[in-house]
Amino acid sequence: DGGITQSPKYLFRKEGQNVTLSCEQNLNHDAMYWYRQDPGQGLRLIYYSQIVNDFQKGDIAEGYSVSREKKESFPLTVTSAQKNPTAFYLCASARTLGELFFGEGSRLTVL
Amino acid sequence: ENQVEHSPHFLGPQQGDVASMSCTYSVSRFNNLQWYRQNTGMGPKHLLSMYSAGYEKQKGRLNATLLKNGSSLYITAVQPEDSATYFCGGADGLTFGKGTHLIIQP
Repeated sequence: DGGITQSPKYLFRKEGQNVTLSCEQNLNHDAMYWYRQDPGQGLRLIYYSQIVNDFQKGDIAEGYSVSREKKESFPLTVTSAQKNPTAFYLCASARTLGELFFGEGSRLTVL
Repeated sequence: ENQVEHSPHFLGPQQGDVASMSCTYSVSRFNNLQWYRQNTGMGPKHLLSMYSAGYEKQKGRLNATLLKNGSSLYITAVQPEDSATYFCGGADGLTFGKGTHLIIQP
């Protein structure tokens, strides 16, 4: 079945550590997105990519990094520079200007 | 700066009632609007796509209208399983509202 997969679902990190969240899609979508969601808040865009080997910063890119080496994959690294990384992270993919297909999210907790 | 606002923030109709909610937006470049639904702790799911002002769409118990600067969403005969957060966003995936939190009273 086609879809978008995020892993891990839950992740714990000590302060000062980098962590990488995985996002894989087999929908043949060109565009991929990373969002952060805090309790009671809407989605805030971290990074997005409309084509392989190219990506743009969103509204809250500081402390995060991404890569888009393959069409199917768009991993997000939460670096130690992110001061408040505990959050729910959502990845999505879409055809150009089409509906977004979301993963089930990764919940990161910093200890 | 693009902004998307939802109204109301919280909605608590009785089972069987109609739930009515809306979003308004200011975007520099509009390329259709999407409605999504999200259950707590899960990824959002796409509900409807809206393409131009005056556009209306029905899907099951969902009815939506696209206005000049926003959209209205109606859910008829609401059921407990409709409880979720409903939000809209542009098709560019860049901006979303906080949504309307719908809780169905039994």
